[in-house]
Amino acid sequence: DTEVTQTPKHLVMGMTNKKSLKCEQHMGHRAMYWYKQKAKKPPELMFVYSYEKLSINESVPSRFSPECPNSSLLNLHLHALQPEDSALYLCASSQDRWDRSIPLHFGNGTRLTVT
Amino acid sequence: GENVEQHPSTLSVQEGDSAVIKCTYSDSASNYFPWYKQELGKGPQLIIDIRSNVGEKKDQRIAVTLNKTAKHFSLHITETQPEDSAVYFCAASWPYAQGGSEKLVFGKGTKLTVNP
Repeated sequence: DTEVTQTPKHLVMGMTNKKSLKCEQHMGHRAMYWYKQKAKKPPELMFVYSYEKLSINESVPSRFSPECPNSSLLNLHLHALQPEDSALYLCASSQDRWDRSIPLHFGNGTRLTVT
Repeated sequence: GENVEQHPSTLSVQEGDSAVIKCTYSDSASNYFPWYKQELGKGPQLIIDIRSNVGEKKDQRIAVTLNKTAKHFSLHITETQPEDSAVYFCAASWPYAQGGSEKLVFGKGTKLTVNP
């Protein structure tokens, strides 16, 4: 079982809804990541938090809003999404910021469907 | 930016055979090369990685080789088993302009099927 826990496992939301995805790790990692994965594609980086500060935003639309309340938790707030935003959203963590080539540990993702 | 090409996109082998997946990368500054296995309904799981100061690394039935000159790295799975069936992604680190961090650039994946 993965040590990065994501909730919920599945989420269906309308285009006018507001919802949040949650991620938790208790490995003492100080870098946390959000990735988006479409079917039969590799994961695409969205955001990176390092020591609870946003360090990378891959030009993600503002309808996705990340939050890192503390070193163990990462949220992704969703608002006014489009059907094309339907995907598997993966959270990952690593011991430190990515510039030390440290392995990423992924959660099992939240399968999001936007109707 | 970095580009990682992965081949083949699908691979079908008989149980007990070996499987080889190959990747090439474009940026000589890349220095870290992990391989991830993704089973249906799960997130990618790291199975082996190699750094640029090493040419080969082995962990039981899995090995990775790196040729820095040619910018190639490969995953070798011996004595394949049905539970090896999954999608495998290679990746290469790439120095990233924003904040001085690196990011992982993934290949497009290989769907491996091991037939009993």
